[in-house]
Amino acid sequence: GESVGLHLPTLSVQEGDNSIINCAYSNSASDYFIWYKQESGKGPQFIIDIRSNMDKRQGQRVTVLLNKTVKHLSLQIAATQPGDSAVYFCAETSSNDYKLSFGAGTTVTVRA
Amino acid sequence: DTEVTQTPKHLVMGMTNKKSLKCEQHMGHRAMYWYKQKAKKPPELMFVYSYEKLSINESVPSRFSPECPNSSLLNLHLHALQPEDSALYLCASSPREVSRAFFGQGTRLTVV
Repeated sequence: GESVGLHLPTLSVQEGDNSIINCAYSNSASDYFIWYKQESGKGPQFIIDIRSNMDKRQGQRVTVLLNKTVKHLSLQIAATQPGDSAVYFCAETSSNDYKLSFGAGTTVTVRA
Repeated sequence: DTEVTQTPKHLVMGMTNKKSLKCEQHMGHRAMYWYKQKAKKPPELMFVYSYEKLSINESVPSRFSPECPNSSLLNLHLHALQPEDSALYLCASSPREVSRAFFGQGTRLTVV
């Protein structure tokens, strides 16, 4: 079977390497997913989103992958930079719902 | 203007005080939210206003009282809070359901 990445509360990455952040979501009815970045002392900042009719979406230096079979979401950051150091949250919601539920978060630290 | 503005940024209040947190957005968004975030935890939904009407109350204690005076403003009235209510209070807005939420920078609340 396909392996599923584990959610890790912390991730240390060498500058220039690629980062992969994993998230297991809970609600099989969820059909819209968002990744947020939260820097110290700031509110969450939108990174990228994906709807359940897609399994991959790319942005600038970021890619989100969605595996609905195992309810798994991942965020890939290419060529990680010091400014990428932050806490990353996945969030989920379902059609006609305003309730956005957040995952536990992963703290990413970029080593120079 | 793609900002959600929260005031004040910091607030220290006693357990017998009454204070209010304010949130403003001028993006024409029809949904506005209050979230509470404790240190190293994800944001937790408190209230959702949709078209200026309260649509979700996540069983929040009555010492927190939300108000939506118009489509651009959201207040959170605080009364007789406890020290455990100390947290970062985040306001967010979204254009509709099942869409990304834009967050403010938060109000750091300390109850003494």
